[in-house]
Order: sequence, then C-alpha cells, then structure tokens
Amino acid sequence: GESVGLHLPTLSVQEGDNSIINCAYSNSASDYFIWYKQESGKGPQFIIDIRSNMDKRQGQRVTVLLNKTVKHLSLQIAATQPGDSAVYFCAENRGVLMGSSNTGKLIFGQGTTLQVKP
Amino acid sequence: EPEVTQTPSHQVTQMGQEVILRCVPISNHLYFYWYRQILGQKVEFLVSFYNNEISEKSEIFDDQFSVERPDGSNFTLKIRSTKLEDSAMYFCASRDTSYEQYFGPGTRLTVT
Repeated sequence: GESVGLHLPTLSVQEGDNSIINCAYSNSASDYFIWYKQESGKGPQFIIDIRSNMDKRQGQRVTVLLNKTVKHLSLQIAATQPGDSAVYFCAENRGVLMGSSNTGKLIFGQGTTLQVKP
Repeated sequence: EPEVTQTPSHQVTQMGQEVILRCVPISNHLYFYWYRQILGQKVEFLVSFYNNEISEKSEIFDDQFSVERPDGSNFTLKIRSTKLEDSAMYFCASRDTSYEQYFGPGTRLTVT
C-alpha cells in the first residue's frame, strides 16, 4: 500500500544541538526518497534526496540515512538553528513509468514539527 | 533563482461554484503536478501532467477536477463544483528531467 510515515509528530531541541527526524516507509521497491521542509504558510522546500543504491548522503548541515533492511529513513540536522524550525516531511517517489519517463508522483509522510529552543 | 508561482494566494468560494487555481511553473520544466494539503495533514498527490496530458492521477482527482496548460507558461487546476471537503492548500510543483520537484507557495481554498 501507499504508506510513508514519521515516528514523532513534534521534536523539540536546543539551539546548537543536533536533530534527528525519522521516517518509516512500507514499499521495499521504492528507489528514491526526499526530505522536504515546510515553513508556516509556505510550500514544501526541497532539502535533500537519496536513491536506494546509497546508504548515506550529506548536504550542508544535513545528512540523510537510508536503511533498506528495516525500511527506515532519517534526516540529521547538525547544529540546529532557530531558522530550522518547521515541519519536515519525508516523501517517496512512487511514480510509474510512462514511456521512457517516470511520472514522479510523490507520497508524503505525516510530518514532524521541529521546534528549536533558543 | 527561478521559482514556481501560484495565484491567488487565497480563494474563498461558495459550495457548488467553480474555481480555477493558477500556477506558473519554472520555465524550462517539463513535468507538472498538483498536490493538496488539508489543514494539519500531510501533502497528498492529485495529478501529474507531462507532454500535454495527464500521466497519473490519484483517487481524489475525480471528474470534478481537471487540469490544463492553456499556453506555454500557465498550468491550471479547475474544480467544477466545489464541496466543503475541497477546502485545503493546493500546491503546484514542477520539475525537469531530475526527480526534484519545486513547489509553489500554494493557494488556500476555502469553500463555505
């Protein structure tokens, strides 16, 4: 079925600490995952992605880890800042092939609210 | 930096009325999407559009919904006869040949 979920609805961290946001997915055939950040009143903003042939990918202050054995995805934010406060969604590409291209349909998880305390 | 834009930012309509939500995707993108987000819930896929036709749609996207790319820049979502449960944020997204989708700021639709 189509199910991508997050373990915790709210995560509260102290400014400067590292944050870890988790996500579980159900489709073992999924090959592409994305983390989005959504600030209040705005659309989802791409943070980082990872393909299933990788276990880890790093960006600026963010790292995504993929554990295909347990179908688990996590987002690590280093030295969390007040500007990181937002809702974070994991999403899975569940598009189908149409001709030579993938439709790109994204299935989103429920979202985790990250609160950064000064 | 190029971005997806959407108009209006907020649309209020009465039940049974037709609404058209408008989007201008990033200019060199080829794949276009509509998603919706009911308040406090997750983002849900509605429809994908490529090469001037729908490539995939969800169960939510019933006969009351339609999409159109009337010219080279706009991408619209029409709801023919709105229902109370259509109240949500509607997001347009676009991408090029990579999987990374860029989302617009959304249109808040309120059906009364």
